[in-house]
Amino acid sequence: AQSVSQHNHHVILSEAASLELGCNYSYGGTVNLFWYVQYPGQHLQLLLKYFSGDPLVKGIKGFEAEFIKSKFSFNLRKPSVQWSDTAEYFCAVNQGNRDDKIIFGKGTRLHILP
Amino acid sequence: EAGVTQFPSHSVIEKGQTVTLRCDPISGHDNLYWYRRVMGKEIKFLLHFVKESKQDESGMPNNRFLAERTGGTYSTLKVQPAELEDSGVYFCASSQWGLAGTGELFFGEGSRLTVL
Repeated sequence: AQSVSQHNHHVILSEAASLELGCNYSYGGTVNLFWYVQYPGQHLQLLLKYFSGDPLVKGIKGFEAEFIKSKFSFNLRKPSVQWSDTAEYFCAVNQGNRDDKIIFGKGTRLHILP
Repeated sequence: EAGVTQFPSHSVIEKGQTVTLRCDPISGHDNLYWYRRVMGKEIKFLLHFVKESKQDESGMPNNRFLAERTGGTYSTLKVQPAELEDSGVYFCASSQWGLAGTGELFFGEGSRLTVL
């Protein structure tokens, strides 16, 4: 069964620091990849997604992620974080054309110090 | 446009009781998904409806869980009888075209279930 691993469960950074959240998945076939975010008191929402094409994907609020097929990775990055980025971030994968569900990782809680 | 709404937001019940969670997807969204997050763990897939049909129910934990979507609009998830390990947050999500389309699921705020 496919799985998604997020390396960091809790990350604390100061404002303006650079961010990289690790994500690896286990499925070897065609995959679609996602990062979802849940801000405090809000619902889960899509941050960015990769289906095909350029492996460097740009999302909302200055986030980007790079798909490295050889490493089964889809790490999330942001060059300079803000206090408002405090949230929980979830990496997720869908098995391409095989099925229509998303498998989530355990999430990373990001806390930005003002 | 109204988003995905879930009711109740929080339910506290005793072991052995029954609880019914409701999800109203975004109007026009044929695809409806249920997920669950037990504290500290990943968000786990439960099942997927396309209109009123169960497309994939491979994630349903056991036969104490029953999901329905009569008429292809709102959906209910009933847990009967509830056990302690059923505690968690139950998320509902919807999409118009499923993952083959935009790939985006629109989530509700979740229903937190506490079983004592």
